[in-house]
Amino acid sequence: SQQGEEDPQALSIQEGENATMNCSYKTSINNLQWYRQNSGRGLVHLILIRSNEREKHSGRLRVTLDTSKKSSSLLITASRAADTASYFCAVDSNYQLIWGAGTKLIIKP
Amino acid sequence: DTGVSQNPRHKITKRGQNVTFRCDPISEHNRLYWYRQTLGQGPEFLTYFQNEAQLEKSRLLSDRFSAERPKGSFSTLEIQRTEQGDSAMYLCASSTREAGWLQETQYFGPGTRLLVL
Repeated sequence: SQQGEEDPQALSIQEGENATMNCSYKTSINNLQWYRQNSGRGLVHLILIRSNEREKHSGRLRVTLDTSKKSSSLLITASRAADTASYFCAVDSNYQLIWGAGTKLIIKP
Repeated sequence: DTGVSQNPRHKITKRGQNVTFRCDPISEHNRLYWYRQTLGQGPEFLTYFQNEAQLEKSRLLSDRFSAERPKGSFSTLEIQRTEQGDSAMYLCASSTREAGWLQETQYFGPGTRLLVL
């Protein structure tokens, strides 16, 4: 069964706005990762945050992790049309990544 | 391009036929994973290899599924006696786990889309 649960399931915003997606999980983790998937290019790794980290930045991406609440958020600032994709969180628990169902993000021009 | 490659990209087969997919990981990666993904869902773990050893297999995986990685490089995933429920995208990923800290980034191939008629 899938462990990460993304919220919302779908999000539609105007280009230039910020997009926030959340992920909740159930067990202890080594790290949590966010991936992007669009139809043309498959799954691409975006950012990894370790269990002892609380916040991490990469370009327009900001990820937070709250291990006490077993939750993470992904913020994309100044969204662009090219950010339209599905975004997945994956929790690294022992030997494998366990994935949520994803958030489908649509950026309207 | 030195990324993960998968072949074929698409496969249409009739129910009951066997199919085999191939994955070529990034050359220096010792870990190789197979996932299945259906529409609107995240990837579902099937199995993984460390070098040539198959270390874990999902309990959800039918006996009709078998995977090999004979020389610790490329891998094959075979589905015997395919069923319509096997229709999905089959993803391969490779990684190398950093020593001293349990973290790894998985690099995914483009997937093989299977349609069982």
